[in-house]
Amino acid sequence: NAGVMQNPRHLVRRRGQEARLRCSPMKGHSHVYWYRQLPEEGLKFMVYLQKENIIDESGMPKERFSAEFPKEGPSILRIQQVVRGDSAAYFCASSPLGLAGAGEQYFGPGTRLTVT
Amino acid sequence: DQQVKQNSPSLSVQEGRISILNCDYTNSMFDYFLWYKKYPAEGPTFLISISSIKDKNEDGRFTVFLNKSAKHLSLHIVPSQPGDSAVYFCAASAVGTASKLTFGTGTRLQVTL
Repeated sequence: NAGVMQNPRHLVRRRGQEARLRCSPMKGHSHVYWYRQLPEEGLKFMVYLQKENIIDESGMPKERFSAEFPKEGPSILRIQQVVRGDSAAYFCASSPLGLAGAGEQYFGPGTRLTVT
Repeated sequence: DQQVKQNSPSLSVQEGRISILNCDYTNSMFDYFLWYKKYPAEGPTFLISISSIKDKNEDGRFTVFLNKSAKHLSLHIVPSQPGDSAVYFCAASAVGTASKLTFGTGTRLQVTL
């Protein structure tokens, strides 16, 4: 049973370019969460999605960031016109429960974004 | 506003002894607490959790204690092993928030021989 998969593992972008991060949840999980970890900090919640729906995007920056979880395919976190401050590790997690109740989330290995 | 705090950035413990990692929270709406372990360049790995209706949960060498009145929880690892050396994150979720997690800043545990 494959775990949460994220790709790419490392991504380098120049300022102003777009970054696309992909996440495939664990089999049987329909709830996806994105978190960001800045250097020397804990993980910060960004967005929670179910298939074709954004449930909670309270942690997403208002501009340049968007996320989707289409009916088919992985969840995508998209950052337009990247700036140096976007350099961080981006983690995706999946859960079978979501709104149904509290439960542990299972994390992918992360995508390390570096903006030069 | 740091709602989940891990005030010790690092901890060093001898192999075989007990490791105690602490976590404080401020949001009284939190009702579910988790500990994750993280190695460099990897994602966090779930260790153990506890619901607010309990004050203790045990799984092998790991025990989590919850003191709701003090808004404090701790993770005990007994006996500590070199492979336990990692960063440990405390996380919490609140009723009605769809289980999104609020993380502490982590404690780096070093288990020495």
